[in-house]
Amino acid sequence: EIVMTQSPATLSVSPGERATLSCRASQSVSSNLAWYQQKPGQAPRLLIYGASTRATGIPARFSGSGSGTEFTLTISSLQSEDFAVYYCQQYNNWPSFGQGTRLEIK
Amino acid sequence: QVQLQESGPGLVKPSQTLSLTCTVSGGSISSGSYYWSWIRQPAGKGLEWIGRIYTSGSTNYNPSLKSRVTISVDTSKNQFSLKLSSVTAADTAVYYCARGISAAWYNWFDPWGQGTLVTVSS
Repeated sequence: EIVMTQSPATLSVSPGERATLSCRASQSVSSNLAWYQQKPGQAPRLLIYGASTRATGIPARFSGSGSGTEFTLTISSLQSEDFAVYYCQQYNNWPSFGQGTRLEIK
Repeated sequence: QVQLQESGPGLVKPSQTLSLTCTVSGGSISSGSYYWSWIRQPAGKGLEWIGRIYTSGSTNYNPSLKSRVTISVDTSKNQFSLKLSSVTAADTAVYYCARGISAAWYNWFDPWGQGTLVTVSS
């Protein structure tokens, strides 16, 4: 099993500021990494796949980077609707998810 | 626009079999090179991939659940289903169905169903 570790567990950022979320894989997953946003009571929504490709309809303020074992999701200027839990997921092997980063309003 | 909707009992007794169905609308389950997956999330916790099926009937399962999981597809009804046997309280979770997409062997997931809560309790 490929273990995905996200940091930090909770990130407090003010609206309008930049948020940087990290995801580390226990072994290389190449660029086979996706990011999801989940709001309370809702299903996860795909943001990024292929480590850096935005899904359809995702605003340009969301960007992904990295390859191998280290990945980053950056939200350039936080909007009120961006405060949520974010998960990374690798699909280089049978899929596994990180434990999530909660992005909260500072 | 493809949409997915889970259905099934919200309460299952310990040692019994959990059964859920996902109905796909807005497109044929057989069109395109998509896989159809089940994913679960215990309350307040992270996401766990359970398994997937291709419309040919080919399946792959999470090794940790493989001995208890069966996923099947009914293309005539545009549905796929999950059976999880010998359930315990640890299987209590929100269960999601999702469409798997990939250029690699395994998938990212888009879209997801809204999820259905299954509680295992006597």
